[in-house]
Amino acid sequence: DAGITQSPRHKVTETGTPVTLRCHQTENHRYMYWYRQDPGHGLRLIHYSYGVKDTDKGEVSDGYSVSRSKTEDFLLTLESATSSQTSVYFCAISAGGNNQPQHFGDGTRLSIL
Amino acid sequence: DQQVKQNSPSLSVQEGRISILNCDYTNSMFDYFLWYKKYPAEGPTFLISISSIKDKNEDGRFTVFLNKSAKHLSLHIVPSQPGDSAVYFCAARVGGSTLGRLYFGRGTQLTVWP
Repeated sequence: DAGITQSPRHKVTETGTPVTLRCHQTENHRYMYWYRQDPGHGLRLIHYSYGVKDTDKGEVSDGYSVSRSKTEDFLLTLESATSSQTSVYFCAISAGGNNQPQHFGDGTRLSIL
Repeated sequence: DQQVKQNSPSLSVQEGRISILNCDYTNSMFDYFLWYKKYPAEGPTFLISISSIKDKNEDGRFTVFLNKSAKHLSLHIVPSQPGDSAVYFCAARVGGSTLGRLYFGRGTQLTVWP
């Protein structure tokens, strides 16, 4: 298994509170990604990173920010959580280059009441 | 707009038979396609992939077929086993993209019954 750890695995919080999810990898891969999975939508890309301090937006980035201060850590922050952000969040990593798959962590189930 | 489509939300197959999962795409710039398997409460696991320069790739019981003219790919599982019961996601990547950003379908729930 790829060395990817997501924390926390489960979180329940209230609308309007800030939330930070952490993704930690031990593979020294350059690329890291945050996805959310919702019923009927598959996995949708929120943000991604192509190196330390290098990040960019995905298709559903509104309401989210990210940071990557070290190769091994990629943080996803919800500055002011809303109920529409209730979802399962997956982190993925990739070595990059041709024909390299992404490998996923086990996810964080986030509920915003 | 969904660029990768899995039109069958579910598939039920008897153990030992073939499972065929289908996927269609609209973006002709996709050059690399992947299948992931996902069990409940776990992350998606990479299963098999195919480059657009090929039309078939095999790995044990799993074979992926690519028909570029029809913008269609399929995953064949032979023989199907109860442990194959999971959600299967099709994904695709735009050619020339070192970022490897993937576009996912909505998934197909495969149930293999004894």
